[in-house]
Formats: sequence, structure tokens, C-alpha cells
Amino acid sequence: GNSVTQMEGPVTLSEEAFLTINCTYTATGYPSLFWYVQYPGEGLQLLLKATKADDKGSNKGFEATYRKETTSFHLEKGSVQVSDSAVYFCALSGGDQFYFGTGTSLTVIP
Amino acid sequence: DSGVTQTPKHLITATGQRVTLRCSPRSGDLSVYWYQQSLDQGLQFLIQYYNGEERAKGNILERFSAQQFPDLHSELNLSSLELGDSALYFCASSRTSGGAGNEQFFGPGTRLTVL
Repeated sequence: GNSVTQMEGPVTLSEEAFLTINCTYTATGYPSLFWYVQYPGEGLQLLLKATKADDKGSNKGFEATYRKETTSFHLEKGSVQVSDSAVYFCALSGGDQFYFGTGTSLTVIP
Repeated sequence: DSGVTQTPKHLITATGQRVTLRCSPRSGDLSVYWYQQSLDQGLQFLIQYYNGEERAKGNILERFSAQQFPDLHSELNLSSLELGDSALYFCASSRTSGGAGNEQFFGPGTRLTVL
């Protein structure tokens, strides 16, 4: 069946550090992949998406590339800010269902 | 603003009671999803409706039920509430039921506290 596995948190980084949050998936067919972000006290917001292999999703300085050969969709940002502190969820849409990872909490300290 | 609305924003009730949470999807979206988010369990998928019919079921307890009405709004009913039901309940909507690019848009959530 379909599933998403993402890196355990919490992650703590200093401002301007490089961020990677790993996400791998298991799926039949050709799923779409997403990263969502949840800021404190809010609902989840779509951060970026990719719908086919080798697509790169990007938004607000974050990027993730759909790698079919490694079944991965790692989230990266070159220089994090305090305002990036949030919980990040990797997700997959395949067939009729949507699958979320367990979430990775990121704290960025000044 | 995602366009998904949820009411109420906060709900405080006692064990054994029953509550109803309401969700209005984005205009044009046919699918509604319900999720429970608690500190120790993360984001748990409960149930999905598509155009009025149940499409998928996740970890939804028998004490919980949902429905989607002809105008596409949805309600989640929680009964015989227990302390462990205290959580954030999110509704999300999407244009279709699945397939490529079928991203979900989340509402702001209802925070349920069971005392």
C-alpha cells in the first residue's frame, strides 16, 4: 500500500543554517507529492507540490524534487529564518487517498 | 485564507456528551476530509466524503460519525466523549477524490476540550 515516512524531529537550527527534512514514500502508480507546513496555532498550509518524476516544487525559498529512483521528496532550504519555525508534513496523493507523514517540528533560533 | 471554514473554533464539554463540528469546503470542492490532531498521535485521518458519499475511512472510532450534505458542507459528530478525545479536529477539502495534483486545503480547525 501507499505510505510516507519522514524524518523524526524535533530539529533545531540556527538562523541562516541549511535545512533538509527527509521524506521517502511507498506507492503504486504515479502519486503526487506535497509538503505542508503548520505554524503554531494554525491549520496546515500547502507549501509546495510535485506531480511527476523529476518535478521540482518550490515556494518561499523551500524546494523539493520528486525522485522516483530513490522514492524521495526531501525538503530543503538554503538559509532558514526564525519565521520558518513550524511543523512540516510530507504527503502523498495516490488513487483515492491522501497519506501524511508524522510531521517534523522545526525550531530556528536567532 | 484557504477558503475552508470550520465552526466552532473552540469547544469545551464534559465526558459523555455529544458534539457536532461543522465544515464548509472551498467553493467548487467536492471532497471533504476530517482529521484529528493530538499531541501524542500526530495527524490522524478519520474519514473522507466525496459529493455526499463516504469514500474512505481511516482511524475513526465507532463513537464518531460524519456526513456530507447536498450543499457539500460536512458535519463530524462525536458522541460519548472521553478525555482522550480532546484534540484539534481539522477539515480539509479538495477538488476531486484523488489523482495527480489533488492537493487538500485545510480549515483553521476546531479545538475540542473534554473535561
